[in-house]
Amino acid sequence: GAGVSQSPSNKVTEKGKDVELRCDPISGHTALYWYRQSLGQGLEFLIYFQGNSAPDKSGLPSDRFSAERTGGSVSTLTIQRTQQEDSAVYLCASSLGIYNEKLFFGSGTQLSVL
Amino acid sequence: AQSVAQPEDQVNVAEGNPLTVKCTYSVSGNPYLFWYVQYPNRGLQFLLKYITGDNLVKGSYGFEAEFNKSQTSFHLKKPSALVSDSALYFCAVRDMMTGAGSYQLTFGKGTKLSVIP
Repeated sequence: GAGVSQSPSNKVTEKGKDVELRCDPISGHTALYWYRQSLGQGLEFLIYFQGNSAPDKSGLPSDRFSAERTGGSVSTLTIQRTQQEDSAVYLCASSLGIYNEKLFFGSGTQLSVL
Repeated sequence: AQSVAQPEDQVNVAEGNPLTVKCTYSVSGNPYLFWYVQYPNRGLQFLLKYITGDNLVKGSYGFEAEFNKSQTSFHLKKPSALVSDSALYFCAVRDMMTGAGSYQLTFGKGTKLSVIP
């Protein structure tokens, strides 16, 4: 596609439910990042994938958060047993590789946990 | 560890005046530095980057940034602000010395720029 695609654009869920957020990166981009944007907190790094290398999970805030990237393309971020503090905009970005820091961001998924 | 500070939550400037959005950083080695912009209801867009070479970097939409190693700063500047420049601006850094397997960009908290007509 022309850009990074994220779905859904908005997700409202009840506390305790699991949610899955999807990211479809730009074709040919080997690096994929997930960030979380909360009001007043800026962008918080969550996880990074590069090709077939082990992902950098150092930013995941708890073991309720996990992500996978299938076939080096589409990525899914899963949040189990959601809490109200998980409410934020979840942003996905991709780039040509680890030595190219020009990230292309999707429009994000606005997650609201009631 | 790498970090970025944007000391101003908000910057207001009159249209036609020069603007500066401040950024300071902390890394163990040498930095890769970036500015991204987020327009209302749109995704983040790359503005410019400093890797090596000239300390003054020119980017999109007439923006430029000056790398100052002694002050560990990378302030974003534009000679004449436009109302359409009103947006949220993020500074980001990556440490060239980052160990294997970790290539994350660390972003600041953002600065809201408002250009007043």
